[in-house]
Amino acid sequence: DSGVTQTPKHLITATGQRVTLRCSPRSGDLSVYWYQQSLDQGLQFLIQYYNGEERAKENILERFSAQQFPDLHSELNLSSLELGDSALYFCASSVGSGDLYEQYFGPGTRLTVT
Amino acid sequence: GNSVTQMEGPVTLSEEAFLTINCTYTATGYPSLFWYVQYPGEGLQLLLKATKADDKGSNKGFEATYRKETTSFHLEKGSVQVSDSAVYFCALSPYNTDKLIFGTGTRLQVFP
Repeated sequence: DSGVTQTPKHLITATGQRVTLRCSPRSGDLSVYWYQQSLDQGLQFLIQYYNGEERAKENILERFSAQQFPDLHSELNLSSLELGDSALYFCASSVGSGDLYEQYFGPGTRLTVT
Repeated sequence: GNSVTQMEGPVTLSEEAFLTINCTYTATGYPSLFWYVQYPGEGLQLLLKATKADDKGSNKGFEATYRKETTSFHLEKGSVQVSDSAVYFCALSPYNTDKLIFGTGTRLQVFP
């Protein structure tokens, strides 16, 4: 158990809908990362927050947004869902910012868009 | 740009066999290199890392050496166990960033 929790574990929804994925980082970790794992694109970085502020962003569609709240949990919002958004979404957290800090991954949320 | 290429799987081995999973990278500057492991139904776990050329990362009998001249970071283990069956991801973190760029993953299956 990495100490990173993600809810829900599974999500099945229809095209055009909107969903929210939630991540609680390990206690004391200030950085949160979101990654998407799909058959087409593999495992790719989406966005990073550090202590409530966006630090880096890549590969993230305009239909997707994220935020990190004052209690450091993070949410990834996916809207106008398409079949291609079906994937496993991982959250990771680290104590600080920088590659010296290990990223701890949660178990993921599996999103299925039908 | 930055990218990671690793060998296609699955890699199928008998217990106690020697393991090599090849990984090469393309990067600007001096990236850090990582191997992550993903067991069924779980998130990724850091297996080992190396932050500069010629560094050797090691953990649980696995080793990998950062080779700048060949831009490689091959994963090796002298004697695999059934419990090592998992998907292994090679990754890099570009210089001065936190994001991880992953290879496609290599599934390892170890049979008794």
